[in-house]
Amino acid sequence: QVQLVESGGGVVQPGGSLRLSCAASGFTFSTYGMRWVRQAPGKGLEWVAFIRYDGANRYYADSVNGRFTISRDNSKNTLYLQMNSLRAEDTAVYHCATESMRNWGQGTLVTVSS
Amino acid sequence: DIVMTQTPLSSPVTLGQPASISCRSSQSLVHSDGNTYLSWLQQRPGQPPRLLIYKISNRFSGVPDRFSGSGAGTDFTLKISRVEAEDVGVYYCTQTTQFPHTFGQGTKLEIK
Repeated sequence: QVQLVESGGGVVQPGGSLRLSCAASGFTFSTYGMRWVRQAPGKGLEWVAFIRYDGANRYYADSVNGRFTISRDNSKNTLYLQMNSLRAEDTAVYHCATESMRNWGQGTLVTVSS
Repeated sequence: DIVMTQTPLSSPVTLGQPASISCRSSQSLVHSDGNTYLSWLQQRPGQPPRLLIYKISNRFSGVPDRFSGSGAGTDFTLKISRVEAEDVGVYYCTQTTQFPHTFGQGTKLEIK
């Protein structure tokens, strides 16, 4: 069955960096666009970024544009989110999901705090 | 950016009774390919979101038929014909017609 497993979350100081990973299995990863969606504690869902199946096109929310980079390695069935210049407001659970949103990971918590 | 506005934000419902959630977009969600990429997600407490409905009215695999979606253009509705205890959670509409993709604020469904 389809599985998406995020990792790489943790506590980081403001201005720091983290790289999240999303390991995919159970489907042909290289043929699907992928997205990152985050949810701040007690808040709603916020779309973060999207990457096309071949990595040729990437899109970002204004709130992370220029600081976050979405990428993928189709040979490793893995999606990434490089997060730089982190701010307190980036604190959230980060979920990866397929393009259609039919499949979601459980999420990984990122806490930005001094 | 397309703003998605859901009403109500909270919906206390009696078990077995219907529930309805409205979602309005700030501009038409009709894509140039003719499709309308409006989806509904359910998030139960402590769980990741789950796709219920895609392209306005298509139920995803395994979703009970008491859930239905309707609408067109900028106005959309999710209906639950008879609420069950397992339906408690937060419901989100989302548009993927145009980047940036956006979500509604969420509607919390609770049992009276």
